[in-house]
Amino acid sequence: EDQVTQSPEALRLQEGESSSLNCSYTVSGLRGLFWYRQDPGKGPEFLFTLYSAGEEKEKERLKATLTKKESFLHITAPKPEDSATYLCAVYDYGGATNKLIFGTGTLLAVQP
Amino acid sequence: DSGVTQTPKHLITATGQRVTLRCSPRSGDLSVYWYQQSLDQGLQFLIQYYNGEERAKGNILERFSAQQFPDLHSELNLSSLELGDSALYFCASSPRLAAETQYFGPGTRLLVL
Repeated sequence: EDQVTQSPEALRLQEGESSSLNCSYTVSGLRGLFWYRQDPGKGPEFLFTLYSAGEEKEKERLKATLTKKESFLHITAPKPEDSATYLCAVYDYGGATNKLIFGTGTLLAVQP
Repeated sequence: DSGVTQTPKHLITATGQRVTLRCSPRSGDLSVYWYQQSLDQGLQFLIQYYNGEERAKGNILERFSAQQFPDLHSELNLSSLELGDSALYFCASSPRLAAETQYFGPGTRLLVL
């Protein structure tokens, strides 16, 4: 069964304390890995799309990387405004439907 | 602001009732997706429409249905509502049918009492 697993479930950091979030996936035909940020009660906000192993993308304090089995979201010197749930998702074309499969997210709290 | 709009923002109704949620995709996007997000289930794909036609189905209940109109807006109809249908419902859109970035709307929070 296709799966997306994110870890840790929750992470508390001090402002300026860098860390990484993990997303591991098992799909029969990967066609892209996506990172979103979601604030409470809001819609997911698109961050990055990665298509092939070795690819990296950066935006401000965030950097996403992709290997054949997992992706990392590195957060460098985070600020309190980076506090949110970070969701990872993959497309799967291997089954009967081409749908976006989401992980359950990592809840990040950055304390001043 | 993603450019995807959803109405209403909040909806409170009773069990057994029927409601309609509305979504307008980003300008130029032909694909519309519906998702349900509840506390214990995470974000679950329901259904996709492309240029008016149903193209993919996920974990959508038979009590739920959707359609996409010629102007590309979409509606999600939920009927015979149960307490467990209380959730956030999101619409997303993308330009085409291929595996590409989806942009999400602000969501509709449904509370079934």
